[in-house]
Amino acid sequence: DAKTTQPTSMDCAEGRAANLPCNHSTISGNEYVYWYRQIHSQGPQYIIHGLKNNETNEMASLIITEDRKSSTLILPHATLRDTAVYYCIVRVYNAGNMLTFGGGTRLMVKP
Amino acid sequence: DSGVTQTPKHLITATGQRVTLRCSPRSGDLSVYWYQQSLDQGLQFLIQYYNGEERAKGNILERFSAQQFPDLHSELNLSSLELGDSALYFCASSVDQGVGYGYTFGSGTRLTVV
Repeated sequence: DAKTTQPTSMDCAEGRAANLPCNHSTISGNEYVYWYRQIHSQGPQYIIHGLKNNETNEMASLIITEDRKSSTLILPHATLRDTAVYYCIVRVYNAGNMLTFGGGTRLMVKP
Repeated sequence: DSGVTQTPKHLITATGQRVTLRCSPRSGDLSVYWYQQSLDQGLQFLIQYYNGEERAKGNILERFSAQQFPDLHSELNLSSLELGDSALYFCASSVDQGVGYGYTFGSGTRLTVV
């Protein structure tokens, strides 16, 4: 799996968009970008994934640069419940093995 | 409810003791993964089972062992416990082929060794 780099922590005001960056400059052509988050002491939760096109679901949007070397997870209207650690993971679609978590970004949404 | 059930939720035990953590995967999932998360640390992969067979091993201590039973539930056995084994232990399950979005995590077992 390609290595990812994320900021250690970020703050966001409640109601504003939270933009979480991820650098994955060594990504291979068959590797997807996945985002999971872990709310305090809970199990990680899948958010969204993409290959090269921008993706949107009910939770978030994922913007992947044209060269695929970086991506941004966007929470359009952050709430206090979005305070969590966000993990960017790059891996082959059906690798069939475990997810490998890095340090992630600790997002603090403030009132 | 994620569909992955872990018991017990909390466990307090003394050093040197042995405990068993249990995980029931989401219905239809054949793979089970165990992770350890110490205080303010990242998620460390321990071991994976697929349909009863060990598939991958991570940084699992020799004092730890696991198995997956015919009904697909899994148990993680921790023995000769040390203070440093205090952590959250998560179980996750996935369908065959481990598609990246298909991992479902349980709510974890918080182990405290005193």
